[in-house]
Amino acid sequence: GQQVMQIPQYQHVQEGEDFTTYCNSSTTLSNIQWYKQRPGGHPVFLIQLVKSGEVKKQKRLTFQFGEAKKNSSLHITATQTTDVGTYFCGVQGAQTLVFGQGTRLTINP
Amino acid sequence: DGGITQSPKYLFRKEGQNVTLSCEQNLNHDAMYWYRQDPGQGLRLIYYSQIVNDFQKGDIAEGYSVSREKKESFPLTVTSAQKNPTAFYLCASSRQQGWTEAFFGQGTRLTVV
Repeated sequence: GQQVMQIPQYQHVQEGEDFTTYCNSSTTLSNIQWYKQRPGGHPVFLIQLVKSGEVKKQKRLTFQFGEAKKNSSLHITATQTTDVGTYFCGVQGAQTLVFGQGTRLTINP
Repeated sequence: DGGITQSPKYLFRKEGQNVTLSCEQNLNHDAMYWYRQDPGQGLRLIYYSQIVNDFQKGDIAEGYSVSREKKESFPLTVTSAQKNPTAFYLCASSRQQGWTEAFFGQGTRLTVV
């Protein structure tokens, strides 16, 4: 079935530093979604990318979909303590939504 | 307010007992899902349903059962056959399977004592 690799698994940064997580697939994706899960919380939808090469921004967050639609990235500029959590990518599998393993972001204030 | 509700938030179970986790949504979504999350781990799919009275096994269905008698409800039963049931269980729904954003419930943290 559809699998997606997400790296890194963990990332610790100083507040104010940038952060990037990547999702990679061996097959072409129809779309990709990104979710954020705060510690002790539940995943919350952030964005969906559909078009090849698409770039979307939400304040300090920049989402990119690769030209070949096989990879995607989430970049956070100048992290803040509110960015702490686990970021998941989700892709469409044969019959349902498949999630990456997630990247857990911790921040040193 | 529209949303997806899981109950209870915390659940304790004795070994050998079955327990049912509730999931209700009023978003009029067709698709519903159950995921299991272990500490520091990703989301593993247990069961999903696209339509009333129909559901399919996910990657880790052994020891679990579900029903979908109503569009709004998708309860998950953790049976005594599940060898390691202590985990965080998340229910989700979406308008169409896999194509639209998924909305998650608050989760149920199950502990076997």
